[in-house]
Amino acid sequence: EAQVTQNPRYLITVTGKKLTVTCSQNMNHEYMSWYRQDPGLGLRQIYYSMNVEVTDKGDVPEGYKVSRKEKRNFPLILESPSPNQTSLYFCASSRRQGGGSEQYFGPGTRLTVT
Amino acid sequence: GNSVTQMEGPVTLSEEAFLTINCTYTATGYPSLFWYVQYPGEGLQLLLKATKADDKGSNKGFEATYRKETTSFHLEKGSVQVSDSAVYFCALGLSGGYNKLIFGAGTRLAVHP
Repeated sequence: EAQVTQNPRYLITVTGKKLTVTCSQNMNHEYMSWYRQDPGLGLRQIYYSMNVEVTDKGDVPEGYKVSRKEKRNFPLILESPSPNQTSLYFCASSRRQGGGSEQYFGPGTRLTVT
Repeated sequence: GNSVTQMEGPVTLSEEAFLTINCTYTATGYPSLFWYVQYPGEGLQLLLKATKADDKGSNKGFEATYRKETTSFHLEKGSVQVSDSAVYFCALGLSGGYNKLIFGAGTRLAVHP
């Protein structure tokens, strides 16, 4: 089954404790993105990757890091989480570049930073 | 800049009622337009899309027409079901090699029997 998986689905942590949210897709997609969803703001892009070892900032990259060492994986790293990073996070992938491409979303990771 | 504006929710309807969720956009170039749906506890799924002016996207009884003259992409369904209860997001996809969607704030729809 074609899918995007994320782990963990739920995470509660404390300020400053480094964490990683994993994302993996089995569709051989070149393009992957991370979004955060906040009430009243919709989804905003954090980082994206056009291929292995090629990443770039989205609209809200501060406080986040990513890496793309393999085509299927695109982890999101919070080196020193803060309470304003409490949010619902989604990983997405798509087959090709361009504005018309459908993006496939993972189930989401709900992060709470206390 | 590029942005998407959706009508605020929640929208509450009885089963079999007609649904309209308004969406307008501001964009440079020639964006594609999408409606995504998020069912409780799940990620977003593509509901329909349109890639150029006057295109109509349709799926599962939902329709939306890309109107360049009014910069709109309103979502409609003739007869909603309880199972349509979800959050609906309008989004635009930028042209020019980007792989990015710009989302509206989302509209929650609740359908009662």
